[in-house]
Amino acid sequence: EDKVVQSPLSLVVHEGDTVTLNCSYEVTNFRSLLWYKQEKKAPTFLFMLTSSGIEKKSGRLSSILDKKELFSILNITATQTGDSAVYLCALNAGGTSYGKLTFGQGTILTVHP
Amino acid sequence: SAVISQKPSRDICQRGTSLTIQCQVDSQVTMMFWYRQQPGQSLTLIATANQGSEATYESGFVIDKFPISRPNLTFSTLTVSNMSPEDSSIYLCSVVVGVNSPLHFGNGTRLTVT
Repeated sequence: EDKVVQSPLSLVVHEGDTVTLNCSYEVTNFRSLLWYKQEKKAPTFLFMLTSSGIEKKSGRLSSILDKKELFSILNITATQTGDSAVYLCALNAGGTSYGKLTFGQGTILTVHP
Repeated sequence: SAVISQKPSRDICQRGTSLTIQCQVDSQVTMMFWYRQQPGQSLTLIATANQGSEATYESGFVIDKFPISRPNLTFSTLTVSNMSPEDSSIYLCSVVVGVNSPLHFGNGTRLTVT
């Protein structure tokens, strides 16, 4: 059974800090790993990773995948209060539809002013 | 990515009743999905809404409880039937626009069953 484990489960930092969120996974047939930010109800797409070692970057956020060690990290630099959210890691396994994702428990990030 | 609109945004319902959630996409999409997020839990796929045929349900979800319609490539509904407090969740419509594209979510429906 495919599995996604995120750590830490919660994190409290101050504005300006840099954070690293972790996602480890087990899967029989890997297709992609995705990161989402969830504020209130709707998850917002951040990154989709398919290849090892290639960093994806968007502003202060970046993410990388290690398919050998079966993990991914999401980095946020110079955090702001608007970064406070739940960050979800999700796995799409080959052989299933592109919409069938296995989600981790999420990391609750709180950024204090 | 597509713009995905869900309604209602939230509702409070009595046990034993049913609620239908609507999902409208601003472009035609082949793949449309319904997810549930129970309080304090992560997201779980309920079913794939197939246009022109019956929905494909995941283990633990059945058509009698969660009937789904998909009359065309831009619209779908999910009904939560004979509700109990355990159905209190966020229900999310989601789509994949194309092959190798990520899943995008609608704004969600927060359902509370009393």
